[in-house]
Amino acid sequence: LAKTTQPISMDSYEGQEVNITCSHNNIATNDYITWYQQFPSQGPRFIIQGYKTKVTNEVASLFIPADRKSSTLSLPRVSLSDTAVYYCLSQAAGNKLTFGGGTRVLVKP
Amino acid sequence: NAGVTQTPKFQVLKTGQSMTLQCAQDMNHEYMSWYRQDPGMGLRLIHYSVGAGITDQGEVPNGYNVSRSTTEDFPLRLLSAAPSQTSVYFCASSPDRGGSYEQYFGPGTRLTVT
Repeated sequence: LAKTTQPISMDSYEGQEVNITCSHNNIATNDYITWYQQFPSQGPRFIIQGYKTKVTNEVASLFIPADRKSSTLSLPRVSLSDTAVYYCLSQAAGNKLTFGGGTRVLVKP
Repeated sequence: NAGVTQTPKFQVLKTGQSMTLQCAQDMNHEYMSWYRQDPGMGLRLIHYSVGAGITDQGEVPNGYNVSRSTTEDFPLRLLSAAPSQTSVYFCASSPDRGGSYEQYFGPGTRLTVT
């Protein structure tokens, strides 16, 4: 059963880069790695997805090493509004999309 | 597009009552799922569906039933509510692109069981 492991929390300051690493040792060959952001009292929101190497969009970058057993979400120059919980998602057996515990990111002024 | 809609937004039940949480999406997504999120915790998968007529259990299926008669709708039924089912319930949908899933979440239903 695929399982993800993330740090429970991280603190940062405005303008800094935040890197969150997720471990997914049992990721299957066809699985993608997906990251979500969740604000209090809201449903999670898709941030970025990748299969291997590096993916970048207007919000974040995702780095995936060749063995794909981990991935790192990079948030450049965070602001106070980036304070949220960030989830790394992998697939369990079949199509079960299982969330890990999430990383609480607190951005301080 | 309305995206993923959930009703009701809030619900209070007494122990032993049953009810159905509604979820609908208008994006023609094959994949739909239900999660629960307890206070301060992550999301746990209850049930999911890869298409109309096909459902399967997630991590925490006990006490819940689902059906998927149409692509658009994926209701979640609580059979006999218990205080342990007090939680926020999120429905999500995603296109299935051969292993790539980008889930769109609804606003959630806050359920309290007394």
